[in-house]
Amino acid sequence: DQQVKQNSPSLSVQEGRISILNCDYTNSMFDYFLWYKKYPAEGPTFLISISSIKDKNEDGRFTVFLNKSAKHLSLHIVPSQPGDSAVYFCAASEGYGQNFVFGPGTRLSVLP
Amino acid sequence: NAGVTQTPKFRVLKTGQSMTLLCAQDMNHEYMYWYRQDPGMGLRLIHYSVGEGTTAKGEVPDGYNVSRLKKQNFLLGLESAAPSQTSVYFCASKPRPNEQFFGPGTRLTVL
Repeated sequence: DQQVKQNSPSLSVQEGRISILNCDYTNSMFDYFLWYKKYPAEGPTFLISISSIKDKNEDGRFTVFLNKSAKHLSLHIVPSQPGDSAVYFCAASEGYGQNFVFGPGTRLSVLP
Repeated sequence: NAGVTQTPKFRVLKTGQSMTLLCAQDMNHEYMYWYRQDPGMGLRLIHYSVGEGTTAKGEVPDGYNVSRLKKQNFLLGLESAAPSQTSVYFCASKPRPNEQFFGPGTRLTVL
């Protein structure tokens, strides 16, 4: 049973618009979350993180929101660019520094 | 700085054959990890190491062995490959409790 779920396998967005990628988790002990981005034939690269003491973290065009009561986090990309087209993985851990559990990923396509 | 490198990039094995995947990092990181990525499953942790000479089991360790004889290298071994081990394998490292740096992956096919 997956502890980290990304229920949308794929998402298409027009260039310049907002992309919203969602992630749900079942383990209430998770308190540190990350998003990774992966291009084809490359390894995942770190994008942004958030700890459970916050409900929002922002880095340029990328913002992650955390709703602990709903066990839900989302990644917002504004504005979306064609170079953002990739697979996005959500990951969670029980405590900073512990092993991560990854979701199955969402493939984002940003259309010009 | 090469970061995290993986050797080989591609490999085809027959059932029952053995092989070793090599992960090397030049960032002096303490922690190293081996994951496998399968469609619809995300990245699943096979084994990991928190320092030279240490290894530990992850979520899916069966059929794999690892060794961390040198800090910069983390080896993943398959003693008797099975078709279920067809996957893309990623190595990662991190300096301390923080985000991981991933290698480019090894695509393994077991016939």
